[in-house]
Amino acid sequence: SQTIHQWPATLVQPVGSPLSLECTVEGTSNPNLYWYRQAAGRGLQLLFYSVGIGQISSEVPQNLSASRPQDRQFILSSKKLLLSDSGFYLCAWSEQGNGYTFGSGTRLTVV
Amino acid sequence: EDQVTQSPEALRLQEGESSSLNCSYTVSGLRGLFWYRQDPGKGPEFLFTLYSAGEEKEKERLKATLTKKESFLHITAPKPEDSATYLCAYSSASKIIFGSGTRLSIRP
Repeated sequence: SQTIHQWPATLVQPVGSPLSLECTVEGTSNPNLYWYRQAAGRGLQLLFYSVGIGQISSEVPQNLSASRPQDRQFILSSKKLLLSDSGFYLCAWSEQGNGYTFGSGTRLTVV
Repeated sequence: EDQVTQSPEALRLQEGESSSLNCSYTVSGLRGLFWYRQDPGKGPEFLFTLYSAGEEKEKERLKATLTKKESFLHITAPKPEDSATYLCAYSSASKIIFGSGTRLSIRP
């Protein structure tokens, strides 16, 4: 069966520090992978999606970047965090035309 | 512009009091309508996928229905453990777009 792992679960980082959040998927090959951000009490905002290794599409201009170095690995990064980067970050995968399976999320607080 | 809107934003019910959550959408080329449940501090959990108008799916106290313009999530005789945020999302050819959710609270 397919599983998705996302870590860390919580993270407190100072403004200006770098960020790296990792997501891995097991039990499937060539999945579509996604990074979402969810602000408190609000819906999910799509940040990046990837349909294959090295293929990244950005949905909104921002201080973040994404990379997909391996088929089942998706990384969200920042060189210098801003206060506005705080939020709940979710990784997800899907097969074409089907719904998402989400990771457990990372609560990022930038202080 | 493709859009999905959920209502109400929040709903408080007494245990056993049935109700419905609404998800309306304007989208070209709908490929699927999804419902998720999200508990605080956790990732959304998949509930249902609906593909065509008239389709219905059930799971325990939940039933999802789909028309050409909207979807309903009916909850029958809810229990406190059904308290959560319920998200709907639609899939077009290029992406999946989420609504902002309905926060459901069930009082014992």
